[in-house]
Amino acid sequence: EAGVVQSPRYKIIEKKQPVAFWCNPISGHNTLYWYRQNLGQGPELLIRYENEEAVDDSQLPKDRFSAERLKGVDSTLKIQPAELGDSAVYLCASSPSGGNANTIYFGEGSWLTVV
Amino acid sequence: AQSVTQLDSQVPVFEEAPVELRCNYSSSVSVYLFWYVQYPNQGLQLLLKYLSGSTLVESINGFEAEFNKSQTSFHLRKPSVHISDTAEYFCAVRKGGSQGNLIFGKGTKLSVKP
Repeated sequence: EAGVVQSPRYKIIEKKQPVAFWCNPISGHNTLYWYRQNLGQGPELLIRYENEEAVDDSQLPKDRFSAERLKGVDSTLKIQPAELGDSAVYLCASSPSGGNANTIYFGEGSWLTVV
Repeated sequence: AQSVTQLDSQVPVFEEAPVELRCNYSSSVSVYLFWYVQYPNQGLQLLLKYLSGSTLVESINGFEAEFNKSQTSFHLRKPSVHISDTAEYFCAVRKGGSQGNLIFGKGTKLSVKP
């Protein structure tokens, strides 16, 4: 069974440029998450989807970050314009619906460097 | 609100020695507890989790963790580590029930030396 797939794995951009990350969750997983992991830190939630609905986006910097999950499957996270402080690993994760006992499965991450 | 404290940012240890990675959490409600491992340049993989029942949980590769409610701890242990255990380990907590997000600690880097 395929895991959570993310692309691109690595991206280097100049500040003020836009960037987008794509995520394909595990088949059948209705819940999708985007986390950001800064160097030397644990992951922090940016946004959580239940199917197509963003049920928690309280930590998403909405002035420059946006996300969408059309048709309740794949998701895209966009940053525009990027700032130096956005350099981090962006992790997508998914889990089945139905409770917090379910395991959350992570992709390998998209490593962003803003120069 | 839940929070997680991992007391050691780095733990160096020699191969075949025992290791304990410490994790404490704070929560006013019942929680589920998790340990994830992150190998270099990879995503996070679930190592083990505590949901309910026996307070001692084990993983398939020799790690174990014990839930201690009175001390609000969920320390990770292995009696004999291998070079291949070198990785970063994250403790995480999630509120029991149907809502709530996974909250991570800052991680502990385990370095196993020959």
